[in-house]
Amino acid sequence: AQKVTQAQTEISVVEKEDVTLDCVYETRDTTYYLFWYKQPPSGELVFLIRRNSFDEQNEISGRYSWNFQKSTSSFNFTITASQVVDSAVYFCALSETGGNNRKLIWGLGTSLAVNP
Amino acid sequence: NAGVMQNPRHLVRRRGQEARLRCSPVKGHSHVYWYRQLPEEGLKFMVYLQKENIIDESGMPKERFSAEFPKEGPSILRIQQVVRGDSAAYFCASSPGSGLNTEAFFGQGTRLTVV
Repeated sequence: AQKVTQAQTEISVVEKEDVTLDCVYETRDTTYYLFWYKQPPSGELVFLIRRNSFDEQNEISGRYSWNFQKSTSSFNFTITASQVVDSAVYFCALSETGGNNRKLIWGLGTSLAVNP
Repeated sequence: NAGVMQNPRHLVRRRGQEARLRCSPVKGHSHVYWYRQLPEEGLKFMVYLQKENIIDESGMPKERFSAEFPKEGPSILRIQQVVRGDSAAYFCASSPGSGLNTEAFFGQGTRLTVV
């Protein structure tokens, strides 16, 4: 069965620190997608990244970077030089295959607090 | 281009009342997904619909919950005879197709509070 584990429930850092959010997934599918979403205090879900299972290249977008390692079934997310505005709950998710169905399996989220 | 629009943003219902949550997908999107986020938890898939068809409702509670996506108009998630345990944030997402490489766009959610 597919599963996404975000072992860190809460993380608190001081502004400008680097922080890594862990995500470990389980799937038997050979083709799948992994996602990260941000949920700020206002509650909406903000899409950050989608990564397919055949592309293990790390991705960098500004202060954000993602490390995808199939060997360890991990898709970790690093924020460099964190800012107060990064405070949010971050969710990792896995897309499930199966015919015409496509639904996301979500981790429980990591609540990040960046303090000034 | 408008994104996924959900309304209302906040909904308060007394126990036993009905709750109707609306989701207007991105223009041109024919696939809609509903997710529920209970307090302090991640999102859980509820139902996947295409226009006029329910494709997968494996995440829907067996009773009191129903969903539709008519040919015209928004998708509706309906909860009859609400109970306190239904209090949650309900998110709708839409996509142009069902392929894995199609991104689902999420609405801002409807926060249902049952008192």
